[in-house]
Amino acid sequence: NAGVTQTPKFRVLKTGQSMTLLCAQDMNHEYMYWYRQDPGMGLRLIHYSVGEGTTAKGEVPDGYNVSRLKKQNFLLGLESAAPSQTSVYFCASSYLTGGRETQYFGPGTRLLVL
Amino acid sequence: GENVEQHPSTLSVQEGDSAVIKCTYSDSASNYFPWYKQELGKRPQLIIDIRSNVGEKKDQRIAVTLNKTAKHFSLHITETQPEDSAVYFCAAPDNGGYQKVTFGTGTKLQVIP
Repeated sequence: NAGVTQTPKFRVLKTGQSMTLLCAQDMNHEYMYWYRQDPGMGLRLIHYSVGEGTTAKGEVPDGYNVSRLKKQNFLLGLESAAPSQTSVYFCASSYLTGGRETQYFGPGTRLLVL
Repeated sequence: GENVEQHPSTLSVQEGDSAVIKCTYSDSASNYFPWYKQELGKRPQLIIDIRSNVGEKKDQRIAVTLNKTAKHFSLHITETQPEDSAVYFCAAPDNGGYQKVTFGTGTKLQVIP
């Protein structure tokens, strides 16, 4: 049971380049999330999904797109990277039980945009 | 959407002392409040949570209290140890539901040996 995994762990991009971050979970969770973490800003939600084939915008969605074609995978795309997108990106998945939701985070992807 | 404020942003305590981190939320319909701990270079992990039908919950040296009237909740760590040093995040669900939570901005706790 690997939990939540993210690929890649670290990436350097030039302004204008594109890339896709992959998140995979093997816990059969319905909900998946993409966050970015910047110093002093906490965890800000980019996009999320409440089930296979569904996606929704979070707090800071501009410049990002997502897809959830399979329940276990949640992809985050940057079509034209900008220096402001330099950050640490965390994926998470969760389930509901007894009115409680526990989010399980991946190890993070450190992205540097030059 | 939910607005969560967290204080203080940094906190230094001597080993063995207590630490308290406070959060306020805006949506009175919110009824579930988790706390996550993130050690340096690691991923956030849930350490404790509380539902709105109780006022306090304890788990060994950590406890969380909730005041629904005032719309604030707090994390209490007693007998702090160096391994408690980390960033702590509170969270509250948006619109009273369980899909999607809003995180506070985090508190960096340093426990001085």
